[in-house]
Amino acid sequence: KAGVTQTPRYLIKTRGQQVTLSCSPISGHRSVSWYQQTPGQGLQFLFEYFSETQRNKGNFPGRFSGRQFSNSRSEMNVSTLELGDSALYLCASSSQQGAKGYTFGSGTRLTVV
Amino acid sequence: EDQVTQSPEALRLQEGESSSLNCSYTVSGLRGLFWYRQDPGKGPEFLFTLYSAGEEKEKERLKATLTKKESFLHITAPKPEDSATYLCAAQTGGSQGNLIFGKGTKLSVKP
Repeated sequence: KAGVTQTPRYLIKTRGQQVTLSCSPISGHRSVSWYQQTPGQGLQFLFEYFSETQRNKGNFPGRFSGRQFSNSRSEMNVSTLELGDSALYLCASSSQQGAKGYTFGSGTRLTVV
Repeated sequence: EDQVTQSPEALRLQEGESSSLNCSYTVSGLRGLFWYRQDPGKGPEFLFTLYSAGEEKEKERLKATLTKKESFLHITAPKPEDSATYLCAAQTGGSQGNLIFGKGTKLSVKP
């Protein structure tokens, strides 16, 4: 059974640009959550999507947005990139919203220069 | 405010030297306490979920326990391959089910 797939694995962007990250959940999983991981703050919740609807959102500015498609694949977008957005962005999927088990992908390492 | 605190931040053990990692939580309505292992450059790998005080779960050299205020991850006779960062996360109650993570304990096991 394939795991959670995140693309790309690595990305370098310039301040002010925008970026889109992709996440394909485990087959049959309808919930996708996104987290930002930095050395100083650890893992912080960005948002959760279930059945194409955002169900839950963390404390991040509006520059961070996402969406989920009918096949449960999800994308996360960050506009007007700042140096502080450099982080590992992790996606996790589960079979239900707020479910009992979350499986994480390997993440996308974003570097903003 | 919901909060999860892990200690110690880093732990160095000799192979075979047992120890415990601590995870203290303050959340409104705990739905579940999760333990993950994370290796460098990879996403967190699920280890355990605990749901109620007194619950214990084991997997190989690891055992997780839960009380009303904290969880422990006991490592018995660790091996170098157990070296990783161990993360705990609390799932809050209500309609929002996101995970609140601690900052992790970086474990190094020397042969």
